[in-house]
Amino acid sequence: KAGVTQTPRYLIKTRGQQVTLSCSPISGHRSVSWYQQTPGQGLQFLFEYFSETQRNKGNFPGRFSGRQFSNSRSEMNVSTLELGDSALYLCASSSRDRVNSYEQYFGPGTRLTVT
Amino acid sequence: GQQLNQSPQSMFIQEGEDVSMNCTSSSIFNTWLWYKQDPGEGPVLLIALYKAGELTSNGRLTAQFGITRKDSFLNISASIPSDVGIYFCVSYSTLTFGKGTMLLVSP
Repeated sequence: KAGVTQTPRYLIKTRGQQVTLSCSPISGHRSVSWYQQTPGQGLQFLFEYFSETQRNKGNFPGRFSGRQFSNSRSEMNVSTLELGDSALYLCASSSRDRVNSYEQYFGPGTRLTVT
Repeated sequence: GQQLNQSPQSMFIQEGEDVSMNCTSSSIFNTWLWYKQDPGEGPVLLIALYKAGELTSNGRLTAQFGITRKDSFLNISASIPSDVGIYFCVSYSTLTFGKGTMLLVSP
């Protein structure tokens, strides 16, 4: 089974621009979660989508948004980029078919640098 | 928000030594997961724990779900250089990650 893929792997943007990151989950997984990882704050949960609906949301400003398509692929968008948005953005997929199935499988991440 | 206290923050050990790290919280959780992250990669799931008191092994790794449901432990026996990385504990329902324990192993 192919793992979680994220594109692009690296991205450089300028302050004020917007960016869209893409994630393809493991085949059959309907849950996709996004995380931001920085040296200072560690791994922080952004949001989770399940069957095209946002199911959980972390404590991030509205500039961070996401969506999920009918094939479970997900995109994350950050508008009006700030220097502090520089981070590794990780996507994780899960089946969530069982109530206790929280096991998530991560992609390699997208390294975003904002200058 | 929910916080997980993971300790130690870092460890530098000799190859062959055993390692122990833990994660605690003031809240009760129903699930504990342990992940390892290599530099430049996403975290990889090591062990999942779903029941208080549960002890689960994965090769040289052993993890336990604390009986109070507020903590979890991860032990690595006979460490090798490829054990180097950051180890995270994760609690669900809040999808909260600990800050991680960085493990360095000297050959």
